[in-house]
Amino acid sequence: GIQVEQSPPDLILQEGANSTLRCNFSDSVNNLQWFHQNPWGQLIILFYIPSGTKQNGRLSATTVATERYSLLYISSSQTTDSGVYFCAVARTTSGTYKYIFGTGTRLKVLA
Amino acid sequence: GAGVSQTPSNKVTEKGKYVELRCDPISGHTALYWYRQSLGQGPEFLIYFQGTGAADDSGLPNDRFFAVRPEGSVSTLKIQRTERGDSAVYLCASSLRDLDYNEQFFGPGTRLTVL
Repeated sequence: GIQVEQSPPDLILQEGANSTLRCNFSDSVNNLQWFHQNPWGQLIILFYIPSGTKQNGRLSATTVATERYSLLYISSSQTTDSGVYFCAVARTTSGTYKYIFGTGTRLKVLA
Repeated sequence: GAGVSQTPSNKVTEKGKYVELRCDPISGHTALYWYRQSLGQGPEFLIYFQGTGAADDSGLPNDRFFAVRPEGSVSTLKIQRTERGDSAVYLCASSLRDLDYNEQFFGPGTRLTVL
């Protein structure tokens, strides 16, 4: 099956700093989503981005499907950005809807 | 509108018992997913519904696990003869479209503890 690796596993930032989170996947996919899991366990979708670049406020994401990676950029980080960021991929063209999640990047933003 | 809801929020049961976990998706969402998440791990896919039918149940770990969605809305995940290893947070997600453009919206989860 498809393997998903995220880096770094842990990240500590001072409020206001910028960061880049990376998601590598082992096979071609046609679905990719980024999620934020807050400290209370709620998963919130950030981006649906199987290819290209999207921006939403301080967050942006880029997926280069041909090179099998995606990047999530967080600018001017805030304490509310703390939590775990997951990348999830699927290749629905193969007849499955099985999304594979990475192990996440645990982010802590200090005030 | 209302988001995805899951009940109960917590369930404690004894080994060998039967449990049912319920998911109410966002109104109008045709696609529904079940996942489970163990501590420190990402969610693990269990099953995907497209309408009333299970389009992909390849993630169900064994035949003790079963899920239904009889009217294409509410879904129930059923676990028979629970084992301690079933302890996890069970997450449900729904999405508006059931093909390739399918942002998933997650519920708050049900924390299952098997004693």
